[in-house]
Amino acid sequence: KAGVTQTPRYLIKTRGQQVTLSCSPISGHRSVSWYQQTPGQGLQFLFEYFSETQRNKGNFPGRFSGRQFSNSRSEMNVSTLELGDSALYLCASSFTGFGGTDTQYFGPGTRLTVL
Amino acid sequence: KNEVEQSPQNLTAQEGEFITINCSYSVGISALHWLQQHPGGGIVSLFMLSSGKKKHGRLIATINIQEKHSSLHITASHPRDSAVYICAVRGDGGSQGNLIFGKGTKLSVKP
Repeated sequence: KAGVTQTPRYLIKTRGQQVTLSCSPISGHRSVSWYQQTPGQGLQFLFEYFSETQRNKGNFPGRFSGRQFSNSRSEMNVSTLELGDSALYLCASSFTGFGGTDTQYFGPGTRLTVL
Repeated sequence: KNEVEQSPQNLTAQEGEFITINCSYSVGISALHWLQQHPGGGIVSLFMLSSGKKKHGRLIATINIQEKHSSLHITASHPRDSAVYICAVRGDGGSQGNLIFGKGTKLSVKP
């Protein structure tokens, strides 16, 4: 069974641009969660989607948005990029989501650098 | 003060030693997770706990809900256990309960 895949793996953008990151969950998983990891703040929760609905959202500005498609694939978008958005963006999938009793499977992450 | 505190921040051990990593939290939770992150970024979910104790191989995780504390133990540590261990809690605010992460414990096991 294929694992969680994220594309692209590396991305370089300039301030003010926007970016879209993609996450394909493990087949059969309906929940996709997104996280931002930086050296200063560590891991921070962005949002969680379950069956195309945003079920939970972290404390990030509205420039960060996401969506989930009917095949459970998810995208996140960051508009008007700032230098501080440089981070590793991770997604994770599971059958029922982080609050459930099943395991979350993480993707390899997308390393975003904003210049 | 962070809502999830881990200790120690860094830990160096000799192969074979028994290791304990601690996590304390200050919010009401519905679940606590232990994650392992290897150099290069890959994260593996080790345990999800809401009460008691779980064991998987050489890893043991415990939680004390009354004391708001969890521990991750590694028995007979091995260099391949070298990684960052992260504690994460899900608040008990129903569907709006946010996920809060500790800063991680960097473990290095020397042969």
